[in-house]
Amino acid sequence: AQSVTQPDIHITVSEGASLELRCNYSYGATPYLFWYVQSPGQGLQLLLKYFSGDTLVQGIKGFEAEFKRSQSSFNLRKPSVHWSDAAEYFCAVGALDTGRRALTFGSGTRLQVQP
Amino acid sequence: EPEVTQTPSHQVTQMGQEVILRCVPISNHLYFYWYRQILGQKVEFLVSFYNNEISEKSEIFDDQFSVERPDGSNFTLKIRSTKLEDSAMYFCASSEDRGPNSNQPQHFGDGTRLSIL
Repeated sequence: AQSVTQPDIHITVSEGASLELRCNYSYGATPYLFWYVQSPGQGLQLLLKYFSGDTLVQGIKGFEAEFKRSQSSFNLRKPSVHWSDAAEYFCAVGALDTGRRALTFGSGTRLQVQP
Repeated sequence: EPEVTQTPSHQVTQMGQEVILRCVPISNHLYFYWYRQILGQKVEFLVSFYNNEISEKSEIFDDQFSVERPDGSNFTLKIRSTKLEDSAMYFCASSEDRGPNSNQPQHFGDGTRLSIL
């Protein structure tokens, strides 16, 4: 069974600083990986996804993530954080190659942005 | 941009009562899902639905739960006899997949907060 670990529960960065949110997954085959963002009172918005091909994927709102098979990681990055990026970020893994569609989510990382 | 919509945004129900949570998936999507997030915990998969039947369900999705697509637009989750531990945020999602071997991302609604008293 697949699993996802987000080691950082809470991160605080200054506006304009760079950001990296960590995600490690456990899955025997090629994973399908996602990052979602949840603003307070809102649902989960898809930031980006990795299925195959280029290991550096670009998403919305200036985010990118890099799939590193050797490290079982899929870290989310943004070069310059904006105050509106304050939210909770979830990494998720799917086993779509098995025909199963259930996503397994990490515990989330809450991002706080200081002015 | 098309959205998944969920109603109500907040539902308060007495323990033991039945509750129905409603979702309108994105119109051209064929796969539908329910997830839940107990306060302070991970988002957990409950069930997926395709071609008018359950395609996958988790251990959480026991006999107290059922899903239905009563018409061409709605997708519902019913909890037959609610328990205190059913209190959670329930998210509906849909994806454009055309079969089990497709790999389109899931798009989520804003959730229904269910509070059991």
